[in-house]
Amino acid sequence: DGGITQSPKYLFRKEGQNVTLSCEQNLNHDAMYWYRQDPGQGLRLIYYSQIVNDFQKGDIAEGYSVSREKKESFPLTVTSAQKNPTAFYLCASSIMSSDHRRFFGPGTRLTVL
Amino acid sequence: QKEVEQDPGPLSVPEGAIVSLNCTYSNSAFQYFMWYRQYSRKGPELLMYTYSSGNKEDGRFTAQVDKSSKYISLFIRDSQPSDSATYLCAIGMEYGNKLVFGAGTILRVKS
Repeated sequence: DGGITQSPKYLFRKEGQNVTLSCEQNLNHDAMYWYRQDPGQGLRLIYYSQIVNDFQKGDIAEGYSVSREKKESFPLTVTSAQKNPTAFYLCASSIMSSDHRRFFGPGTRLTVL
Repeated sequence: QKEVEQDPGPLSVPEGAIVSLNCTYSNSAFQYFMWYRQYSRKGPELLMYTYSSGNKEDGRFTAQVDKSSKYISLFIRDSQPSDSATYLCAIGMEYGNKLVFGAGTILRVKS
C-alpha cells in the first residue's frame, strides 16, 4: 500500500535535548512538508522540500532543521533552540510542489518533559 | 485578520442530519479549495478538492465555493456517527504552493 509513515507515534523530550522525527513516503511524490498542529490553530508550515537535496523554510522554521537526502525520506529535527516544542507534528507530501493537495502521515505527538 | 476563518465548534447534530461546515477567507488570490477530515490523534485525510466556484459532489459530501463572497462550505448529508471528527478547510494561492489551513471545526454526530 502506498502512503506516508511517521515514527515514533509518541515522543518525549527532555529540556535541552534534540530529537528527530522520521517521515517516509512510497508515493513517489516530489514534494514533502512538515507541519505543526496546536489546539485552536491551523496547521503551520515548518519546512518543505520540492526536490531531493533542496528545502526551504516555512512560516515557523526557527528551532527546527531538516534534510532531504532521498526522495522517500524527510526527517525533522527539533532542536533545543525550539522553546515550545510540545505539539502534534504532521508530515505530508504532494505529487509536485505546484499541486496543492497534501497527503498526510499519521503524525507524531511530541511532549517536552 | 486571519487569512482563513473557521468556526471551531463543537457542532453537535443527531444522526441523519444535514451538516454545514464553513470557512471564510480574505484574499482573492486564493483559488484552490480543499476539505480535510481528521480523526482524533490521526493525520488529516483529503475529502474534497476544487478550484472553481459552484458545487462539487462526492457521495454524501458536497463542497461549495463562492469566490465573490470568499466563502466555502462543506455539506454532509445523512450524517453518521463515523463522521464525528474535526474538519479542516485549506485554501491555496493561484501561484506558488502556499496553502493556508483553517483551525478546524469539531463535529459530533449523535446516534
